[in-house]
Amino acid sequence: KAGVTQTPRYLIKTRGQQVTLSCSPISGHRSVSWYQQTPGQGLQFLFEYFSETQRNKGNFPGRFSGRQFSNSRSEMNVSTLELGDSALYLCASSLGGAQTSYEQYFGPGTRLTVT
Amino acid sequence: TQLLEQSPQFLSIQEGENLTVYCNSSSVFSSLQWYRQEPGEGPVLLVTVVTGGEVKKLKRLTFQFGDARKDSSLHITAAQPGDTGLYLCAGVRGYQKVTFGTGTKLQVIP
Repeated sequence: KAGVTQTPRYLIKTRGQQVTLSCSPISGHRSVSWYQQTPGQGLQFLFEYFSETQRNKGNFPGRFSGRQFSNSRSEMNVSTLELGDSALYLCASSLGGAQTSYEQYFGPGTRLTVT
Repeated sequence: TQLLEQSPQFLSIQEGENLTVYCNSSSVFSSLQWYRQEPGEGPVLLVTVVTGGEVKKLKRLTFQFGDARKDSSLHITAAQPGDTGLYLCAGVRGYQKVTFGTGTKLQVIP
């Protein structure tokens, strides 16, 4: 079974631009979550999508948005990039049903650098 | 506000030594997970503990969930260089709301 894939792996953008990152979950998984990881803040939850609906949301500004398609693939978008948006963006997939354990499987991440 | 504090933040030990990493919170979790992350990769799930007081073993790694389901520990026996990485705990509360800990960076020197 293929794992979670994320594209692109590396990205360099300038301030003010916008960026779209893509995530393909494990086959059969219906939940996709996005996280931002930085050395200072650690792993911060952005949002979670399940069956094309945003189910949970973290404390990030509206410049961060996402969506999920009918095949469970997900994209996240960051508009008006700031230097502080430089980070590793991780996508995680899970079955998404009512589970106490909620086990997530992470992709390798997209390293975004904003200059 | 960081809900899950891990200690220590950094740990550098010799191969063969034992170590314990702690994950503490004032909140109750329905389950707690441990992940290991290597540079340039995403975290990999090691274990999930669900019941208060539960102990799980994965080869040389022993995981324990506190009785009150607010804390957890990870003990590694006879550490190997392959154990090097960032260890993250993650608490699940409510309906699939996951909070990650601050992380413990482990380096095992051959």
